[in-house]
Amino acid sequence: SAVISQKPSRDICQRGTSLTIQCQVDSQVTMMFWYRQQPGQSLTLIATANQGSEATYESGFVIDKFPISRPNLTFSTLTVSNMSPEDSSIYLCSVDRDAHGYTFGSGTRLTVV
Amino acid sequence: KQEVTQIPAALSVPEGENLVLNCSFTDSAIYNLQWFRQDPGKGLTSLLLIQSSQREQTSGRLNASLDKSSGRSTLYIAASQPGDSATYLCAVKDSGYSTLTFGKGTMLLVSP
Repeated sequence: SAVISQKPSRDICQRGTSLTIQCQVDSQVTMMFWYRQQPGQSLTLIATANQGSEATYESGFVIDKFPISRPNLTFSTLTVSNMSPEDSSIYLCSVDRDAHGYTFGSGTRLTVV
Repeated sequence: KQEVTQIPAALSVPEGENLVLNCSFTDSAIYNLQWFRQDPGKGLTSLLLIQSSQREQTSGRLNASLDKSSGRSTLYIAASQPGDSATYLCAVKDSGYSTLTFGKGTMLLVSP
């Protein structure tokens, strides 16, 4: 299955600032997915990132708050902008390997103070 | 809209017990179902993937079954160990879609 390198693994940020999370996949993939997991909750899809086009955002998530880049078929970034304590969550990227299922990055644990 | 439910929400057992985690989903038109393990504050590790045409998958002490018509899957863990302590998530990929729908997970604690 695919190997995804995600960084940073954790960060503590001041409110009002932005954090960019990076994911690197060891092989080319068409779509990459970004999820959020709020404390004590399950995973919620933020957006789907395709190379060469704008990301598709789920209801409740907007590009101004969570801009995504997908410059090539192995790399994507998610930025959490103008952070507030409510953004404190684990953020995860993932890819779908079809017959092999989904693979997830190791997650970014974000705390906003 | 697909909904995934996991029961129980939490489970505490002594080491060595065999245990069953349950997952149910509302729409049987699924492509596959995947079980994940998540350690606190970490990412997800895939445990087992069951395609819609399959009935079960096994990996070591883990066995997952799928009954698509009734909308149910179970994860069986044999001879549990303290290292099995984690949250177990069930996720469904619907036919015709690329994304996963997750349950809320079962938090498992295995005591020595």
